[in-house]
Amino acid sequence: NAGVTQTPKFQVLKTGQSMTLQCAQDMNHNSMYWYRQDPGMGLRLIYYSASEGTTDKGEVPNGYNVSRLNKREFSLRLESAAPSQTSVYFCATRWQEEQYFGPGTRLTVT
Amino acid sequence: SQKIEQNSEALNIQEGKTATLTCNYTNYSPAYLQWYRQDPGRGPVFLLLIRENEKEKRKERLKVTFDTTLKQSLFHITASQPADSATYLCAPQAGSSNTGKLIFGQGTTLQVKP
Repeated sequence: NAGVTQTPKFQVLKTGQSMTLQCAQDMNHNSMYWYRQDPGMGLRLIYYSASEGTTDKGEVPNGYNVSRLNKREFSLRLESAAPSQTSVYFCATRWQEEQYFGPGTRLTVT
Repeated sequence: SQKIEQNSEALNIQEGKTATLTCNYTNYSPAYLQWYRQDPGRGPVFLLLIRENEKEKRKERLKVTFDTTLKQSLFHITASQPADSATYLCAPQAGSSNTGKLIFGQGTTLQVKP
């Protein structure tokens, strides 16, 4: 079992470009989350999805959109990237109260 | 607003000693609190969960306490080893419990020297 996988691992974008970060899980969990992690700050929740077809905003949703098309996949889209979105992005799933994280995507916006 | 504070300074200890990490929270009362371990370049990994009605939880060399009066959790690693070197994140429950949402502290980096 792969657990939670994220693609790509690294990405460099120019300001204004768009991209989608992909997350997939094979654990059959209902809830999925997108976080960003910046130096000196805790993980901050961008969006979460309680189940297939539902999404809700987290603490820092501005500049992002998400899509939960099926139970396995939860994608995060940056429509017009900004330097402030330079960060490490983590996807996670939840079973009961525990969260299971992917390896992360390191994104740099120049 | 809800706020989580962990020691921002790295904790350096000698192998074999007990490491104690602190997590303080303000302005709310979480139903439970979790601790995660994060190694460089990797995602966090769940370690322990303690509920508001539990004073202490143990798992092998790990021990967590939860003082709802002081609004504080302590995380202990006994007989520490160099392999315990990592960043440890405190994550109290946030919002309604059915969302599973957590608020993460910024983490404390532990360095265990042989």
